[in-house]
Amino acid sequence: QSALTQPRSVSGSPGQSVTISCTGTSSDVGGYYYVSWYQQHPGKVPRLMIYDVTKRPSGVPDRFSASKSGITASLTISGLQAEDEADYYCCSYAGTYTWVFGGGTRVTVL
Amino acid sequence: EVQLVDSGGGLIQPGGSLRLSCAASGFSFSTFYMTWVRQAPGKGLEWISFISDTSDIKYYADSLKGRFTISRDNAKNSLYLQMNSLRAEDTAVYYCARVGGGNSLDYWGQGTLVTVSS
Repeated sequence: QSALTQPRSVSGSPGQSVTISCTGTSSDVGGYYYVSWYQQHPGKVPRLMIYDVTKRPSGVPDRFSASKSGITASLTISGLQAEDEADYYCCSYAGTYTWVFGGGTRVTVL
Repeated sequence: EVQLVDSGGGLIQPGGSLRLSCAASGFSFSTFYMTWVRQAPGKGLEWISFISDTSDIKYYADSLKGRFTISRDNAKNSLYLQMNSLRAEDTAVYYCARVGGGNSLDYWGQGTLVTVSS
């Protein structure tokens, strides 16, 4: 149950795009189509942003998109806005009712 | 509206025990799988436990080493986490979360802080 690997931080100017990578193994990211992404503002509760690798829950802006290739998943925020500044965590189902999170990526809007 | 309300956290001495609760409302609690996730101060999210809708399947993170027990009472729409032999490294905010589509954690409680310190 090793954590998925994410960059510690990414940054971009308003209106730009940023992409966060999430690397796992064949036992988690590479083995299932069950990757999700969560946004967490400081002191707040995590919010589901993406599930099933690419799907957005109702209410999530369409500037958030995601994909997966092999053992690496990615979250892209297009048209970066000030309110997107937060921590983002990837999460993968790892089989037999277990989950594994990434270490988290701080997105800074310059 | 789906609501999960976590409670039961507090300051506890090393070696002590604590029972966390999560009260669910706004959905058919008895038909959903549930999990606990924790977050140490300034650290990332860590999945720690899972329970099926009927309680027949339970799983735990290896890091817990058998010290925690998850349970639920569908009649009371409640989820629990019994934590024993607590250590300083168990200090964290503990969140209950519902397992939704695609094995995502679609709704979260507000979290309850557990501080293990003498």
